[in-house]
This record gives sequence, C-alpha cells and structure tokens, in this order.
Amino acid sequence: DQQVKQNSPSLSVQEGRISILNCDYTNSMFDYFLWYKKYPAEGPTFLISISSIKDKNEDGRFTVFLNKSAKHLSLHIVPSQPGDSAVYFCAASLKGAQKLVFGQGTRLTINP
Amino acid sequence: NAGVTQTPKFQVLKTGQSMTLQCAQDMNHNSMYWYRQDPGMGLRLIYYSASEGTTDKGEVPNGYNVSRLNKREFSLRLESAAPSQTSVYFCASGVGTGWEQYFGPGTRLTVT
Repeated sequence: DQQVKQNSPSLSVQEGRISILNCDYTNSMFDYFLWYKKYPAEGPTFLISISSIKDKNEDGRFTVFLNKSAKHLSLHIVPSQPGDSAVYFCAASLKGAQKLVFGQGTRLTINP
Repeated sequence: NAGVTQTPKFQVLKTGQSMTLQCAQDMNHNSMYWYRQDPGMGLRLIYYSASEGTTDKGEVPNGYNVSRLNKREFSLRLESAAPSQTSVYFCASGVGTGWEQYFGPGTRLTVT
C-alpha cells in the first residue's frame, strides 16, 4: 500500500525554466509534508516542508503547494539551475508518529 | 561535527553470511532510523528508534535486527543475508516530530 506516490520517475527541464515535481498521497491524517533532494552517492538532504494547515510555503527558488482536497502536493523550482539535477523525494508524516513515509522519487535533469 | 556517519561504505556478502551496519550521530538527536533504497521503490523504513532504549519496526523489518546501543549509535544487523537484501542502506537521525531527518552517506550492500 503506497501511501505516498510520485508517478513520474523522471523529468527533464531546460535551464532557466520552471520545474514542477508532483506527489500524491492517500492518508488524510498526514500532518506534515516534505521534499528531500538526493545527489548520487550521497544521503538525502531536507529541502522544504509544509504543514497541512497551509497551502503554500516558499523558500527562495523553491515553493511547495499543498492541495488537501486533491491529496496532492507539488514542488516548483524557478528558475531551474544545473545544480538542481538530482532525485527528489516527497515524504509525509503522521502527527506523533516520529517517522516519515517516502515516495518513490523523481529524477530531475536540468539541461543547459 | 560529522553529522551522521555510516560504516562500511561498501560491502559484498555471500548468501547466508551475517554482518552489522554501524551508524553514529553527533547531533544529540533522540530519533534514529534505518532505510533501504531500491530502484523504483524510494526509501523504505526498516526500523527506527524514537529514543534511547526503544526500537520499532518500520515498513520492511523482516530479515533485520537493530540495536540502539546508546544515544549516538544505532546498528542494523543482517543475520543471514539474502540476495533480496541487496540495496543501499541509509541511516538517519531526527529531531522534534521526526520529519526533519539528517541522513548518512549510505552503505551499498551486495549479496551474491
């Protein structure tokens, strides 16, 4: 039972354009959503998060949008840069559970 | 401040052999986690420890055991390795509600 799904295994975007990564979830009890970024041969690193009581959170070039009615969140990166090429994982947590459920990941490639 | 460290970085085992993956963190975090990453499957939680002295099963605990040796160290043991355990293993530590996690660089394990 995959509670957090990233249906696009890969995404290719031109440098300078907007990258949009998508994530769907099934459990309406999730109270925090996060995006992690992973480079090859390294561990994932925390990128940005959003509480379930908000619908948008912005940090520089990165914005996460949450649509609770659709159980969908997305990460927007604008403008996209070559250093953004990485695998992006969506994750969610249940209140008090102290653990995360991750999606399968989306490999983002930024082309010059 | 090394963050989260894991040893070894690479390991090749024969079916039936045993081994222990070591993890240590120097950030004074209460929670620690073991994940495995497989192609198309994202990060799946094997075991976690919300605090020193406690451990709990995650999504894929079969074939593994863990020990929370002290606040800093959390080890993962494979008693009888199987080819299905070929994977990249990540250790992480976390603060607060558990969603802000810091990952180690990973251990690439191959079981032949």
